[in-house]
Amino acid sequence: EPEVTQTPSHQVTQMGQEVILRCVPISNHLYFYWYRQILGQKVEFLVSFYNNEISEKSEIFDDQFSVERPDGSNFTLKIRSTKLEDSAMYFCASRQGGQPQHFGDGTRLSIL
Amino acid sequence: AQTVTQSQPEMSVQEAETVTLSCTYDTSESDYYLFWYKQPPSRQMILVIRQEAYKQQNATENRFSVNFQKAAKSFSLKISDSQLGDAAMYFCAYRSEGGSEKLVFGKGTKLTVNP
Repeated sequence: EPEVTQTPSHQVTQMGQEVILRCVPISNHLYFYWYRQILGQKVEFLVSFYNNEISEKSEIFDDQFSVERPDGSNFTLKIRSTKLEDSAMYFCASRQGGQPQHFGDGTRLSIL
Repeated sequence: AQTVTQSQPEMSVQEAETVTLSCTYDTSESDYYLFWYKQPPSRQMILVIRQEAYKQQNATENRFSVNFQKAAKSFSLKISDSQLGDAAMYFCAYRSEGGSEKLVFGKGTKLTVNP
């Protein structure tokens, strides 16, 4: 069964550094999402992406965040200048039209 | 904005017994979807079951079933014949019809299955 793949599984970064989280959605899916889960808290929506543009973003998704689909297969989340509070699990999800979202295994981001 | 509330931070059940996880939500929309996702210690979010709001019939998926009460805005998950592998965090989620169709999650219920 096709899966959403996220790399790396764990990323450790110094505060202030840029980080790129990578996702390979399921190949025939058209809608892409990033969610964040701070340890012990609920999963929060960050951004949705369709037709090569952001369709919706949350208040969390400020100017330090950006998303890109650079080559038709990868879907990346970039955090330009990381803060301690960016430490969290980041989940990528994708879906076909009208179907449920499929999630990746997540990337654990640790900011030191 | 829609909100999802899971009032049970933790639940436990004996193996082979039945357990019900609660979820309520708040919305002014009439068309939407509801989901239960399972997150085992391996971290992956796995879809357990989904319910379309326009359907009166409760969704069932093997040992998992829901009790969907639209007027009460309630969406509980029943797990029958609980197995050790059912131990996980369970998240209730809401999705609007149309728009970006983002998921709005509750805080989750940690389910422990005792042998």
